[in-house]
Amino acid sequence: EVQLVESGGGLAQPGGSLRLSCEASGFTFSDYWMSWVRQAPGKGLEWVANIKPDGSDKFYVDSVRGRFTISRDNAKNSLYLQMNYLGADDTAVYFCAKAKLGDFDYWGQGTQVTVSS
Amino acid sequence: DIQMTQSPSTLSASVGDRVTITCRASQNINNWLAWYQQKPGRAPKLLIYKTSSLQSGVPSRFSGSGSGTEFTLTISCLQPDDFATYYCQQYNSYSLFTFGPGTKVDIK
Repeated sequence: EVQLVESGGGLAQPGGSLRLSCEASGFTFSDYWMSWVRQAPGKGLEWVANIKPDGSDKFYVDSVRGRFTISRDNAKNSLYLQMNYLGADDTAVYFCAKAKLGDFDYWGQGTQVTVSS
Repeated sequence: DIQMTQSPSTLSASVGDRVTITCRASQNINNWLAWYQQKPGRAPKLLIYKTSSLQSGVPSRFSGSGSGTEFTLTISCLQPDDFATYYCQQYNSYSLFTFGPGTKVDIK
């Protein structure tokens, strides 16, 4: 059974940092692109970042490029999102997702990130 | 950047109705289009991928069609479990994915 379990969310101050983690199981993690998708309160889904199976290519939505870094450790079956210079607009539930061919066939339960002073 | 629009933004329907949601892309996405269902407080669920392929385990009342820049999701006979928000997503390139703004299907 495929499972994706996020952790690391919480309250951060404006300008602060958080590191999200996503632990994967039930599939060959190193074979798949992985992504982060977020959802602000009462809003729609927003793709945040993608990372290639070997970690060599990474892509970001414009609003986070230069502030967020996606990474992975295939030996630990884990995906990460380092978030720096957080702002109120980054408040959201963050989901990690497994990309089949770009469509997301499995999602984690999400982790809440709140940016507030 | 590829922009996605959906219509309508809200749809009121009854159990048994046939429901159609439209998604439009700002440029050709080569049929790399997926549909998701999301219920409050839950992660999205993949329904349709590559425009018209039904994800394993999804009821056959869900179907997708379209090409180029215009796509539709149809629910042939709406069931009580189908009241939710539906999103389309383009994945023409790994360098940029985009979701539509969503369509909420509620009870008439």
